[in-house]
Amino acid sequence: SQQGEEDPQALSIQEGENATMNCSYKTSINNLQWYRQNSGRGLVHLILIRSNEREKHSGRLRVTLDTSKKSSSLLITASRAADTASYFCATGVGFGAGGTSYGKLTFGQGTILTVHP
Amino acid sequence: DGGITQSPKYLFRKEGQNVTLSCEQNLNHDAMYWYRQDPGQGLRLIYYSQIVNDFQKGDIAEGYSVSREKKESFPLTVTSAQKNPTAFYLCASSPRRLAGGGDTQYFGPGTRLTVL
Repeated sequence: SQQGEEDPQALSIQEGENATMNCSYKTSINNLQWYRQNSGRGLVHLILIRSNEREKHSGRLRVTLDTSKKSSSLLITASRAADTASYFCATGVGFGAGGTSYGKLTFGQGTILTVHP
Repeated sequence: DGGITQSPKYLFRKEGQNVTLSCEQNLNHDAMYWYRQDPGQGLRLIYYSQIVNDFQKGDIAEGYSVSREKKESFPLTVTSAQKNPTAFYLCASSPRRLAGGGDTQYFGPGTRLTVL
């Protein structure tokens, strides 16, 4: 089953408005990541927030993490038509022995964002 | 020009045929992954490999097989046992970390497989 569930499933806004997407998950995590996917393309990593962090910024992106509620949000400020894409959250729980971990992630179903010019 | 490549971009298969999807990376990453994406859905993990000559089943491994003979390559075979193989297949890789779990993954452009 999917670890992350995103809300809303689809979001339609005008250029210049802010877009907020939410992600909820079920089990304890090491980190939570957000990815972007343009139609028919591969995913591109946007931002990673660790379980001991509460907020992180990258350009027009702001991510928050509330581990007590097992939820995260991605805010895109001053949106542009070029931001139109699907956005996925992914949770990393880690695995491996001997002190090493590898990057297995579990992805949510995504939010489709449409920004109208 | 570093990155992760997948070929072909589009693949058509007749029912009952096995097909192999290529995935190559020159990022010197230890871990590689195969995902399946259906329309309007998220990614589901098929197989992953942490190191050469080792791989593990993901959530939906039935009807698929992989090999990891070289660090750079992680081909996926979709066998005739896979009942509904039409989907978008994504390969990814990630670097080895000492701790922290859940590394950033770098994705290829994908292969769209259609069964005729």
